[in-house]
Amino acid sequence: GAVVSQHPSWVICKSGTSVKIECRSLDFQATTMFWYRQFPKQSLMLMATSNEGSKATYEQGVEKDKFLINHASLTLSTLTVTSAHPEDSSFYICSANTGPQDTQYFGPGTRLTVL
Amino acid sequence: GQNIDQPTEMTATEGAIVQINCTYQTSGFNGLFWYQQHAGEAPTFLSYNVLDGLEEKGRFSSFLSRSKGYSYLLLKELQMKDSASYLCAAPTGANNLFFGTGTRLTVIP
Repeated sequence: GAVVSQHPSWVICKSGTSVKIECRSLDFQATTMFWYRQFPKQSLMLMATSNEGSKATYEQGVEKDKFLINHASLTLSTLTVTSAHPEDSSFYICSANTGPQDTQYFGPGTRLTVL
Repeated sequence: GQNIDQPTEMTATEGAIVQINCTYQTSGFNGLFWYQQHAGEAPTFLSYNVLDGLEEKGRFSSFLSRSKGYSYLLLKELQMKDSASYLCAAPTGANNLFFGTGTRLTVIP
Protein backbone atom coordinates (compact mmCIF):
# COMPACT_ATOMS: atom_id res chain seq x y z
CA GLY A 1 0.00 0.00 0.00
CA ALA A 2 0.81 3.71 0.08
CA VAL A 3 1.95 4.08 -3.50
CA VAL A 4 2.44 7.49 -5.04
CA SER A 5 3.02 7.93 -8.75
CA GLN A 6 4.31 10.87 -10.77
CA HIS A 7 4.08 11.65 -14.43
CA PRO A 8 6.15 12.29 -16.42
CA SER A 9 9.29 10.76 -14.96
CA TRP A 10 11.42 13.12 -17.01
CA VAL A 11 10.83 16.03 -19.32
CA ILE A 12 12.99 18.24 -21.47
CA CYS A 13 11.55 21.55 -22.60
CA LYS A 14 12.58 24.83 -24.14
CA SER A 15 13.00 27.96 -22.10
CA GLY A 16 9.75 29.90 -21.79
CA THR A 17 7.41 26.93 -22.03
CA SER A 18 5.22 25.54 -19.25
CA VAL A 19 5.43 22.05 -17.86
CA LYS A 20 2.80 20.18 -15.87
CA ILE A 21 3.71 17.39 -13.46
CA GLU A 22 1.06 15.10 -12.00
CA CYS A 23 1.19 13.39 -8.64
CA ARG A 24 -1.27 10.64 -7.77
CA SER A 25 -1.86 8.57 -4.67
CA LEU A 26 -2.83 5.19 -6.07
CA ASP A 27 -4.19 3.27 -3.14
CA PHE A 28 -5.07 5.83 -0.52
CA GLN A 29 -6.71 9.19 -0.21
CA ALA A 30 -4.16 11.88 0.40
CA THR A 31 -5.37 14.64 2.67
CA THR A 32 -2.19 16.54 1.99
CA MET A 33 0.30 16.50 -0.85
CA PHE A 34 3.73 18.07 -0.79
CA TRP A 35 5.98 19.27 -3.57
CA TYR A 36 9.75 19.23 -3.15
CA ARG A 37 12.65 20.26 -5.33
CA GLN A 38 16.08 18.73 -5.13
CA PHE A 39 19.19 20.06 -6.83
CA PRO A 40 22.17 17.75 -7.39
CA LYS A 41 23.86 16.66 -4.19
CA GLN A 42 21.48 18.70 -2.07
CA SER A 43 18.66 17.72 0.21
CA LEU A 44 14.99 18.00 -0.52
CA MET A 45 13.59 21.48 -0.23
CA LEU A 46 9.89 21.82 0.39
CA MET A 47 8.25 24.09 -2.14
CA ALA A 48 4.61 23.96 -1.11
CA THR A 49 1.96 22.05 0.76
CA SER A 50 -1.45 21.50 -0.73
CA ASN A 51 -4.67 20.31 0.80
CA GLU A 52 -7.50 19.06 -1.34
CA GLY A 53 -9.89 21.80 -2.30
CA SER A 54 -7.90 24.68 -0.88
CA LYS A 55 -5.06 26.91 -1.98
CA ALA A 56 -1.52 25.67 -1.59
CA THR A 57 0.77 27.05 1.08
CA TYR A 58 4.09 28.07 -0.42
CA GLU A 59 7.41 28.15 1.37
CA GLN A 60 9.30 31.39 1.59
CA GLY A 61 11.11 32.21 -1.62
CA VAL A 62 8.92 30.03 -3.84
CA GLU A 63 6.96 32.07 -6.38
CA LYS A 64 3.35 30.96 -6.35
CA ASP A 65 2.67 32.52 -9.75
CA LYS A 66 5.50 30.55 -11.28
CA PHE A 67 4.80 27.22 -9.61
CA LEU A 68 1.07 26.66 -9.88
CA ILE A 69 -0.33 23.91 -7.73
CA ASN A 70 -3.76 22.40 -8.08
CA HIS A 71 -5.08 19.75 -5.72
CA ALA A 72 -8.37 18.92 -7.34
CA SER A 73 -9.08 15.63 -5.61
CA LEU A 74 -7.89 13.45 -2.76
CA THR A 75 -5.75 11.46 -5.17
CA LEU A 76 -4.36 14.04 -7.58
CA SER A 77 -2.21 17.13 -7.32
CA THR A 78 -0.51 18.92 -10.19
CA LEU A 79 2.46 21.26 -10.30
CA THR A 80 2.81 23.51 -13.32
CA VAL A 81 6.13 25.25 -13.85
CA THR A 82 5.22 28.29 -15.92
CA SER A 83 7.66 30.00 -18.26
CA ALA A 84 10.38 27.60 -17.30
CA HIS A 85 14.01 28.72 -17.39
CA PRO A 86 17.25 26.73 -17.21
CA GLU A 87 17.60 27.50 -13.50
CA ASP A 88 14.33 25.63 -12.92
CA SER A 89 16.02 22.42 -14.06
CA SER A 90 15.82 20.13 -11.07
CA PHE A 91 14.38 16.94 -9.65
CA TYR A 92 10.79 17.55 -8.56
CA ILE A 93 9.32 15.10 -6.07
CA CYS A 94 5.85 14.92 -4.62
CA SER A 95 4.74 13.15 -1.49
CA ALA A 96 1.46 12.48 0.20
CA ASN A 97 0.10 11.50 3.56
CA THR A 98 -3.26 10.85 5.09
CA GLY A 99 -3.04 13.20 8.03
CA PRO A 100 -0.82 15.39 10.20
CA GLN A 101 2.39 13.71 11.33
CA ASP A 102 1.59 10.63 9.26
CA THR A 103 4.36 9.11 7.21
CA GLN A 104 4.90 10.84 3.90
CA TYR A 105 5.16 8.54 0.91
CA PHE A 106 7.11 9.84 -2.03
CA GLY A 107 6.51 9.62 -5.72
CA PRO A 108 9.37 8.52 -7.98
CA GLY A 109 10.21 12.08 -8.96
CA THR A 110 10.28 14.03 -12.21
CA ARG A 111 13.54 15.23 -13.68
CA LEU A 112 13.02 18.53 -15.47
CA THR A 113 15.61 19.86 -17.86
CA VAL A 114 15.03 23.28 -19.37
CA LEU A 115 17.16 24.09 -22.38
CA GLY B 1 13.26 26.99 14.23
CA GLN B 2 14.39 23.67 12.87
CA ASN B 3 17.89 22.35 12.48
CA ILE B 4 19.15 18.89 11.63
CA ASP B 5 22.79 17.84 11.51
CA GLN B 6 24.13 14.68 9.89
CA PRO B 7 27.57 13.73 8.63
CA THR B 8 27.88 14.48 4.95
CA GLU B 9 29.57 11.28 3.88
CA MET B 10 30.49 7.88 5.28
CA THR B 11 32.21 4.82 3.87
CA ALA B 12 31.87 1.28 5.18
CA THR B 13 32.78 -2.22 4.10
CA GLU B 14 30.38 -4.81 2.78
CA GLY B 15 29.20 -7.07 5.61
CA ALA B 16 30.06 -4.54 8.30
CA ILE B 17 27.85 -2.42 10.58
CA VAL B 18 27.53 1.33 10.20
CA GLN B 19 25.84 3.91 12.42
CA ILE B 20 24.60 7.16 10.94
CA ASN B 21 23.99 9.86 13.53
CA CYS B 22 21.51 12.71 13.47
CA THR B 23 21.10 15.54 15.93
CA TYR B 24 18.10 17.79 15.74
CA GLN B 25 16.61 20.91 17.22
CA THR B 26 12.92 21.39 16.65
CA SER B 27 10.22 23.61 18.03
CA GLY B 28 8.04 20.92 19.53
CA PHE B 29 8.61 17.25 18.89
CA ASN B 30 6.52 15.02 16.67
CA GLY B 31 8.86 12.13 16.05
CA LEU B 32 11.77 11.56 13.71
CA PHE B 33 11.88 9.89 10.33
CA TRP B 34 14.64 8.17 8.41
CA TYR B 35 14.47 7.85 4.65
CA GLN B 36 16.76 6.16 2.14
CA GLN B 37 17.38 7.82 -1.20
CA HIS B 38 19.30 6.21 -4.03
CA ALA B 39 20.87 8.55 -6.54
CA GLY B 40 18.31 9.88 -8.98
CA GLU B 41 15.38 8.37 -7.13
CA ALA B 42 12.86 9.60 -4.61
CA PRO B 43 13.23 8.85 -0.89
CA THR B 44 11.75 5.68 0.55
CA PHE B 45 10.53 5.43 4.11
CA LEU B 46 12.71 3.47 6.53
CA SER B 47 11.56 4.25 10.04
CA TYR B 48 9.66 6.57 12.34
CA ASN B 49 10.54 6.96 16.02
CA VAL B 50 8.44 8.86 18.48
CA LEU B 51 9.46 7.13 21.71
CA ASP B 52 12.95 6.75 23.17
CA GLY B 53 14.80 3.57 22.44
CA LEU B 54 15.80 1.28 19.64
CA GLU B 55 13.42 -0.04 17.00
CA GLU B 56 14.63 -2.90 14.88
CA LYS B 57 13.44 -3.75 11.38
CA GLY B 58 15.52 -6.51 9.89
CA ARG B 59 18.99 -5.21 9.02
CA PHE B 60 18.00 -1.64 9.83
CA SER B 61 17.44 -0.23 13.31
CA SER B 62 16.71 3.30 14.44
CA PHE B 63 17.37 4.80 17.84
CA LEU B 64 15.97 7.91 19.45
CA SER B 65 16.83 9.93 22.54
CA ARG B 66 14.43 12.83 22.89
CA SER B 67 16.23 14.35 25.85
CA LYS B 68 19.46 14.54 23.85
CA GLY B 69 17.88 15.51 20.54
CA TYR B 70 19.70 12.58 18.99
CA SER B 71 18.91 9.70 16.71
CA TYR B 72 20.88 7.16 14.78
CA LEU B 73 20.26 4.69 12.01
CA LEU B 74 22.10 1.39 12.33
CA LEU B 75 22.68 -0.74 9.27
CA LYS B 76 23.91 -4.28 9.79
CA GLU B 77 25.37 -6.80 7.34
CA LEU B 78 25.94 -4.07 4.81
CA GLN B 79 25.29 -4.84 1.19
CA MET B 80 26.47 -2.98 -1.87
CA LYS B 81 22.88 -1.94 -2.59
CA ASP B 82 22.84 -0.03 0.71
CA SER B 83 25.00 2.64 -0.93
CA ALA B 84 22.62 5.62 -0.86
CA SER B 85 21.86 8.82 0.96
CA TYR B 86 20.15 8.50 4.31
CA LEU B 87 17.95 11.40 5.28
CA CYS B 88 16.94 12.31 8.80
CA ALA B 89 13.69 14.30 8.85
CA ALA B 90 11.53 15.92 11.51
CA PRO B 91 7.86 16.82 11.19
CA THR B 92 7.10 20.47 11.70
CA GLY B 93 4.04 21.87 13.35
CA ALA B 94 2.64 22.62 9.92
CA ASN B 95 2.49 18.96 8.87
CA ASN B 96 5.65 19.37 6.80
CA LEU B 97 8.86 17.42 6.94
CA PHE B 98 12.11 19.24 7.50
CA PHE B 99 14.98 17.26 6.02
CA GLY B 100 18.61 17.18 6.97
CA THR B 101 21.12 17.38 4.14
CA GLY B 102 21.50 13.62 4.22
CA THR B 103 24.44 11.29 4.72
CA ARG B 104 25.87 9.76 1.57
CA LEU B 105 26.92 6.20 2.44
CA THR B 106 29.31 4.33 0.18
CA VAL B 107 29.66 0.60 0.72
CA ILE B 108 32.92 -0.84 -0.56
CA PRO B 109 33.77 -4.49 -1.20
